[in-house]
Amino acid sequence: DIQMTQSPSSLSASVGDGVTITCRASQIISNYLNWYQQKPGKAPKLLIYAASSLFSGVPSRFSGSGSGTDFTLIISSLQPEDFATYYCQQTFSAPHTFGGGTKVEIK
Amino acid sequence: QITLKESGPTLVKPTQTLTLTCSFSGFSLSIYGVGVGWIRQPPGKALEWLALIYWDDEEFYSPSLKSRLTITKDTSKNQVVLTMTNMDPVDTATYFCAHLLFGDALYFDYWGQGALVTVSS
Repeated sequence: DIQMTQSPSSLSASVGDGVTITCRASQIISNYLNWYQQKPGKAPKLLIYAASSLFSGVPSRFSGSGSGTDFTLIISSLQPEDFATYYCQQTFSAPHTFGGGTKVEIK
Repeated sequence: QITLKESGPTLVKPTQTLTLTCSFSGFSLSIYGVGVGWIRQPPGKALEWLALIYWDDEEFYSPSLKSRLTITKDTSKNQVVLTMTNMDPVDTATYFCAHLLFGDALYFDYWGQGALVTVSS
């Protein structure tokens, strides 16, 4: 299995702050990397696919980058509705493993 | 509009077999490039990928659970069924099904609301 390691596991930030979350794969996965947002009691929502493509309807303050083994999710200016947990997922090879999640909390 | 919904028992006893059904609309699982996957999430923990079935009947399983899982599809009913044998309390989780697109990228773009399954005697 390909292991996905996210960092940090949690962070505190204020509305308007920029936030960076990283995800590292245990082997090269090209750009087969997706980012999801999950709020408590809800299903995950797709934000970014193929490392840097913004899914339909997702605000442009979200962006993704990276290729190979190292990837980044950036929220340029945190909004109140962005406080949630974020997961990366590799789809280079099955099983399509998820990272451990990054919880973004209000400072 | 793509929608998915999970259904099945909310409570199962240890050693029993869990059968979950994902009923979907807005797409066909007989069309090239489409798949449906199952993902679970124990309370307060991270997402765990379980299984995936493609339009062409190809199946994939989590290696750690492969011996206990079976995924099947019924194209005529627009359903995907996941069975998990020998349930244990550690299998207590919310189980999600999700629509997957296969192409230049591979991602779950639509998810069901999830079904909480508790394993307890």
